[in-house]
Amino acid sequence: GNSVTQMEGPVTLSEEAFLTINCTYTATGYPSLFWYVQYPGEGLQLLLKATKADDKGSNKGFEATYRKETTSFHLEKGSVQVSDSAVYFCALIIQGAQKLVFGQGTRLTINP
Amino acid sequence: NAGVTQTPKFRVLKTGQSMTLLCAQDMNHEYMYWYRQDPGMGLRLIHYSVGEGTTAKGEVPDGYNVSRLKKQNFLLGLESAAPSQTSVYFCASSSFGGFGYTFGSGTRLTVV
Repeated sequence: GNSVTQMEGPVTLSEEAFLTINCTYTATGYPSLFWYVQYPGEGLQLLLKATKADDKGSNKGFEATYRKETTSFHLEKGSVQVSDSAVYFCALIIQGAQKLVFGQGTRLTINP
Repeated sequence: NAGVTQTPKFRVLKTGQSMTLLCAQDMNHEYMYWYRQDPGMGLRLIHYSVGEGTTAKGEVPDGYNVSRLKKQNFLLGLESAAPSQTSVYFCASSSFGGFGYTFGSGTRLTVV
């Protein structure tokens, strides 16, 4: 089946630290990959996406590269801010399918 | 632009009571989804709809029913609430599966 596995949280970092949140997937077809972010008390928002191998999605200083050989889509940011504190979800969808498959989410806390 | 609106935002039910959660979207999206979010388990799909008058089961449909009588509305019903249904419920919509999901801000339901 199709599934997404994220690194377990919570993750706590100091401001300006480098961030990596690991995401790997298994898919029966050819997936598109996404990162969503959920700020406290809110719904999920699309952060970035990649639709084919070696694509790099980027937004708000975050980046993730679609690695087909390692079935991964790790989220990175060079210098995190307190405002990046949120829960991050990796997700995939198979071409032609009707719904996203989400990972379990990783809670990120940035301390000043 | 309202996007996706969920009502109510909070609700406390007694075991055995019934209630309906309403999701409304103003983006003319074909697809609508209901998820529940529990600590450590990410988002799990309850039911979804690929168009007016259609519904389909997700991963965790038991104890819930849905209806999509109008394209803009997707209702989630609990006929006899149980404590295991205590959760945060999110509605989402998309123009076609996967891409451009828009989430509502959630309904926090407690069943006592």
